[in-house]
Amino acid sequence: KAGVTQTPRYLIKTRGQQVTLSCSPISGHRSVSWYQQTPGQGLQFLFEYFSETQRNKGNFPGRFSGRQFSNSRSEMNVSTLELGDSALYLCASSLGSTGGDTQYFGPGTRLTVL
Amino acid sequence: GNSVTQMEGPVTLSEEAFLTINCTYTATGYPSLFWYVQYPGEGLQLLLKATKADDKGSNKGFEATYRKETTSFHLEKGSVQVSDSAVYFCALYGGTSYGKLTFGQGTILTVHP
Repeated sequence: KAGVTQTPRYLIKTRGQQVTLSCSPISGHRSVSWYQQTPGQGLQFLFEYFSETQRNKGNFPGRFSGRQFSNSRSEMNVSTLELGDSALYLCASSLGSTGGDTQYFGPGTRLTVL
Repeated sequence: GNSVTQMEGPVTLSEEAFLTINCTYTATGYPSLFWYVQYPGEGLQLLLKATKADDKGSNKGFEATYRKETTSFHLEKGSVQVSDSAVYFCALYGGTSYGKLTFGQGTILTVHP
């Protein structure tokens, strides 16, 4: 079974731009969670989607948004990029029915904001 | 709220040494506990998990036992290899926050030949 895939793997943007990251979950998984990983803050939860609905959201500003499609693929968008948004963005998929199923992570998208 | 505390790193060992990485947690109820590993330039890989008290998770020679009385989930391996060099994360799912894992700060392990 193919794992979680994320595209693109690397991105370089400038301040003020916006960016869209994509995540394709493992086949049959209906939940996608997104995390931001930085050296200073570690791994922080952004949001979770299940069956096209956002079920949970972390403590991030409204510039961070996401969505999920009917095939369970998910995208996250960051608008008006700031230098502090430079990070590794990880998505994870799970079966999702209970909200606490084991999560399987993709390789991440490394975003650099200049 | 939920929180996970891991031992301070980095940890440096010689090949075939015994490894322990401490992990303690704070959570209400009965969380599920996980260890993930991250190799350079990659995402997180699930190493092992335990979903109830006294469960032992194991994989690739690594083990961890869910101890509710001490709120701990320490990772151990009897004989480490150079290929085990990576960052290890302890995490919990608290049962009330859909899809949200709470992670420790990570422990960098370096194994020398």
